[in-house]
Amino acid sequence: DTEVTQTPKHLVMGMTNKKSLKCEQHMGHRAMYWYKQKAKKPPELMFVYSYEKLSINESVPSRFSPECPNSSLLNLHLHALQPEDSALYLCASSRRALPAVSNQPQHFGDGTRLSIL
Amino acid sequence: GIQVEQSPPDLILQEGANSTLRCNFSDSVNNLQWFHQNPWGQLINLFYIPSGTKQNGRLSATTVATERYSLLYISSSQTTDSGVYFCAARGGSEKLVFGKGTKLTVNP
Repeated sequence: DTEVTQTPKHLVMGMTNKKSLKCEQHMGHRAMYWYKQKAKKPPELMFVYSYEKLSINESVPSRFSPECPNSSLLNLHLHALQPEDSALYLCASSRRALPAVSNQPQHFGDGTRLSIL
Repeated sequence: GIQVEQSPPDLILQEGANSTLRCNFSDSVNNLQWFHQNPWGQLINLFYIPSGTKQNGRLSATTVATERYSLLYISSSQTTDSGVYFCAARGGSEKLVFGKGTKLTVNP
């Protein structure tokens, strides 16, 4: 799904670093999502934004801080991560947000592969 | 919340063979998607199919919502079909729940 663009594709960082993942879509979608995927596991939802407001936080540790500055852009700010946070981070978007979000397909970006040293 | 189960967990085929992957879900859904994740990690949308039947080339999918299952058919498989196939479903909430996937290996 190349209509959702994620940068960078790969990121290696130390536990004391601060970095950000970026996700962008220009399809006019008003719901955006962050997922985390560990090796040999399915993607797990982290956050949902609807109309630029955080609507779901799946009890994600505060070292992950999402931000949605506008309807096209979603960031994930990272600080003081642990080695177990190494994973593939996927961004997705869907056309409509609440209350009709359930019946719209999600479109995924190619992900950022994150390694914590 | 909704539960999604996929079978089989692993499948090995010879090139040219046909296969059927199954997805069972525990509650009524208004979103069901099939994805293919290639060895590079890209998650590719195959079908958005909360009900009915769709076809795209060698792939087709059928969802029988009243019986809470969906099937993905792959015909004349190719080595490039290898990877993990995920079914994901959503009911009344915003949360898309993924099954554990079927790992498909197509040998030449």
